[in-house]
Amino acid sequence: GENVEQHPSTLSVQEGDSAVIKCTYSDSASNYFPWYKQELGKGPQLIIDIRSNVGEKKDQRIAVTLNKTAKHFSLHITETQPEDSAVYFCAASPPEAAGNKLTFGGGTRVLVKP
Amino acid sequence: DADVTQTPRNRITKTGKRIMLECSQTKGHDRMYWYRQDPGLGLRLIYYSFDVKDINKGEISDGYSVSRQAQAKFSLSLESAIPNQTALYFCATSLSTGELFFGEGSRLTVL
Repeated sequence: GENVEQHPSTLSVQEGDSAVIKCTYSDSASNYFPWYKQELGKGPQLIIDIRSNVGEKKDQRIAVTLNKTAKHFSLHITETQPEDSAVYFCAASPPEAAGNKLTFGGGTRVLVKP
Repeated sequence: DADVTQTPRNRITKTGKRIMLECSQTKGHDRMYWYRQDPGLGLRLIYYSFDVKDINKGEISDGYSVSRQAQAKFSLSLESAIPNQTALYFCATSLSTGELFFGEGSRLTVL
């Protein structure tokens, strides 16, 4: 089955700096890669996703890049703000992108210091 | 009000007790899921249901059971709780593909 590894497990950045979280996956059939953000005391919430037919996707201060050859994808947060402090999860799924097929990474706790 | 509601939010119990975690949703989604979150292990799927008459095991179903009482309700039971079931449990819903919508979680401690 699919295996998703996520690094780092914790990340501390100064407000205004950039944060990068990296994930690798094992199953070359995976082609849907969502990122979820979990704020303290809340459930995870989808913030951005990418499919393998594109190499990069941006939404305001967040972007995701995908390298299918190397089987890794990354989340980039620019101009970090205190509200970016949260746990972030990457995930990978085969083409049907059904919820029961998602494999999650271990999570990255991001702390943005003012 | 939350679209996906979990009860209880926190529960402390003892080894051997039966525990039920309940989930209800107002999103009108057919698909519902129970996940378990442990530090460093991410989210792991326990059970899922694609409609009222459909129940499927996930990656880590041993020691758990579920019931889909209605389209909007999906409960998770631990028949005889053990300490290594101490975790944060999430219910989620989805359409056929794409985004999962999570509840706010139920923190279970088994002593």
